[in-house]
Amino acid sequence: AAGVIQSPRHLIKEKRETATLKCYPIPRHDTVYWYQQGPGQDPQFLISFYEKMQSDKGSIPDRFSAQQFSDYHSELNMSSLELGDSALYFCASSPGTSGSNEQFFGPGTRLTVL
Amino acid sequence: AQSVTQPDIHITVSEGASLELRCNYSYGATPYLFWYVQSPGQGLQLLLKYFSGDTLVQGIKGFEAEFKRSQSSFNLRKPSVHWSDAAEYFCAVGAGREYGNKLVFGAGTILRVKS
Repeated sequence: AAGVIQSPRHLIKEKRETATLKCYPIPRHDTVYWYQQGPGQDPQFLISFYEKMQSDKGSIPDRFSAQQFSDYHSELNMSSLELGDSALYFCASSPGTSGSNEQFFGPGTRLTVL
Repeated sequence: AQSVTQPDIHITVSEGASLELRCNYSYGATPYLFWYVQSPGQGLQLLLKYFSGDTLVQGIKGFEAEFKRSQSSFNLRKPSVHWSDAAEYFCAVGAGREYGNKLVFGAGTILRVKS
């Protein structure tokens, strides 16, 4: 069965550079969530989209922006990168916004900021 | 606000022994509860979930969890642990539609299995 695809899997950037993380949800899933997991931390919710509209926003820095496109894939854009942005970034998708809908997680993108 | 507490940061059990990982949640309505497992450097895999109905839910890999509303708990259990179960386990609560159904995770419990 198709799973959530995230690219790239690993990314190394310098401070103050920009990064773009991509997420391709499971086919027919219209809801995408982004989470950030710092070293030794639990995943923290960043932002979510439903039908290409932002549905909720968590502790996402102003330097970050995201969108969901017409094919339902999503991109997380990160600018002016800081050392503290080094983390594992997960994307999850679900079929709709019901709370009972399971979120299927991708393998994550590991971002390292030097 | 929703929150999840996993009181045990690390747990070590012997292979073949039983396991219980604790999870307490704070949520105003009927919660949607999940347990995820994460191996080092890997993604999150869903073990089981509770939405409604039978309070004892069965999951993959021989895991089960029991929802106890009176205790606001959703503890994960396994009768006999295998070395391959060594990983980090996260309990999570769905924040509800008004919060976009995001998941709120606990801090995680790292399980070590000794032979």
